[in-house]
Amino acid sequence: EDQVTQSPEALRLQEGESSSLNCSYTVSGLRGLFWYRQDPGKGPEFLFTLYSAGEEKEKERLKATLTKKESFLHITAPKPEDSATYLCAVQARNNFNKFYFGSGTKLNVKP
Amino acid sequence: KAGVTQTPRYLIKTRGQQVTLSCSPISGHRSVSWYQQTPGQGLQFLFEYFSETQRNKGNFPGRFSGRQFSNSRSEMNVSTLELGDSALYLCASSLAGTATNEKLFFGSGTQLSVL
Repeated sequence: EDQVTQSPEALRLQEGESSSLNCSYTVSGLRGLFWYRQDPGKGPEFLFTLYSAGEEKEKERLKATLTKKESFLHITAPKPEDSATYLCAVQARNNFNKFYFGSGTKLNVKP
Repeated sequence: KAGVTQTPRYLIKTRGQQVTLSCSPISGHRSVSWYQQTPGQGLQFLFEYFSETQRNKGNFPGRFSGRQFSNSRSEMNVSTLELGDSALYLCASSLAGTATNEKLFFGSGTQLSVL
């Protein structure tokens, strides 16, 4: 069965303290792995799509990487405005219009 | 360009009642998906519509139903509400749901509380 597991559930960092969020997945033929950011009271907002092992994408202080079994979202020198819940989702080749989401990692960056 | 609009923003209902949630996708987007978000389960897929046809359905009971209109607007209905239906219901739209880079654009959701 296709599924996504994210860890840790919650992460508290000091401003400037770099870290990584993990997304482990099981899918019957990966079509794409997506990272979203969700702020309180809002819907998820798209960050990245990764398609194949070894691929990397960067945006400001965020960098997403992908292997055959997991993805990492690296946060370099985070700022308080990076505080949010980060969601990972996979899309299967044979089920492209259905996304499997993880439960998310709630990141809190203290000034 | 306006984003995905969901109404109402908040709903309070009692057990046994039914509820209808509305979603207006981004202009030009023809695919609309619905997700249920709860603290314990995360986002769970309910169903996806394209050109008024349901193309995919998640593992939810028949009390959960939806439809899409010719203008791509979608509604979701939950009948005979249960306490466990309390959740944030998110609607997402995309162009067609078939291209490789078909990211989802989410609305802010409808927070449903069942008492």
